[in-house]
Amino acid sequence: AQSVAQPEDQVNVAEGNPLTVKCTYSVSGNPYLFWYVQYPNRGLQFLLKYITGDNLVKGSYGFEAEFNKSQTSFHLKKPSALVSDSALYFCAVSRGGGNKLTFGGGTRVLVKP
Amino acid sequence: DTGVSQDPRHKITKRGQNVTFRCDPISEHNRLYWYRQTLGQGPEFLTYFQNEAQLEKSRLLSDRFSAERPKGSFSTLEIQRTEQGDSAMYLCASSLEDHYGYTFGSGTRLTVV
Repeated sequence: AQSVAQPEDQVNVAEGNPLTVKCTYSVSGNPYLFWYVQYPNRGLQFLLKYITGDNLVKGSYGFEAEFNKSQTSFHLKKPSALVSDSALYFCAVSRGGGNKLTFGGGTRVLVKP
Repeated sequence: DTGVSQDPRHKITKRGQNVTFRCDPISEHNRLYWYRQTLGQGPEFLTYFQNEAQLEKSRLLSDRFSAERPKGSFSTLEIQRTEQGDSAMYLCASSLEDHYGYTFGSGTRLTVV
C-alpha cells in the first residue's frame, strides 16, 4: 500500500517570505513523487515531480522540492511567496510510471500581502 | 490537442437519479484514471484503464458506480441511484504507460439534492 501525509491543514505566510509545505510518504520500492496545485473549482495543475537523480527538483512558478529518502519526505518550497500562490497544494506518490497516484489530504496556503 | 476534457462541468441531480460523466483524454494517452474529491480533501483513486481494459478498481467504487472506456479513447463514469454522499468533484486524468506525466481535467462537480 502507498500513502501520503501532509501534516499541516493550512500554512500562512507573508508575501515575500519563504514558503514550505510539508509532505511525507510511504511506498514499497522506489517512490515517484509529485506536487500539484489546485485553485477554486479547478482541476489539478502539475508543479513538479521527482523520479530519480538530483534530490532537489525545480518546477513551475519558482517552486522546488527536496527529496529526502531517509526521512521519506518531499517538502515543497518557494523562496519568496506571492499572494497569487494562495491555493490548495497536494503531494502525491506513485509506484511507477503510468500507475495510479495516491494523494495527501492537501495543505491550504494563504499568502498575506 | 487541448488536454483532458470533462463534461459536464457541473451536474445537479435529485437523489435516486442516475448520472453519467464523460472524459476525453489526451489522444495519445493509453491510460485513463478517475478520481473523486470531496470538499477540502485530496483526490481519491476510483479506477483506471489501459486502453479499453479496466485494470484496477478501488473498494470506493461501489456496485452503483460503473466506468467504461469502450474504444480505448473517451471514458464514461455512471452513478446509479445517486445518494447525497456522492456529491463531490469527479476528476479524470490521462497518461502514457510507463510515463510520469499525468494530465488532469477540470473535473465534473456533482451535487445530489
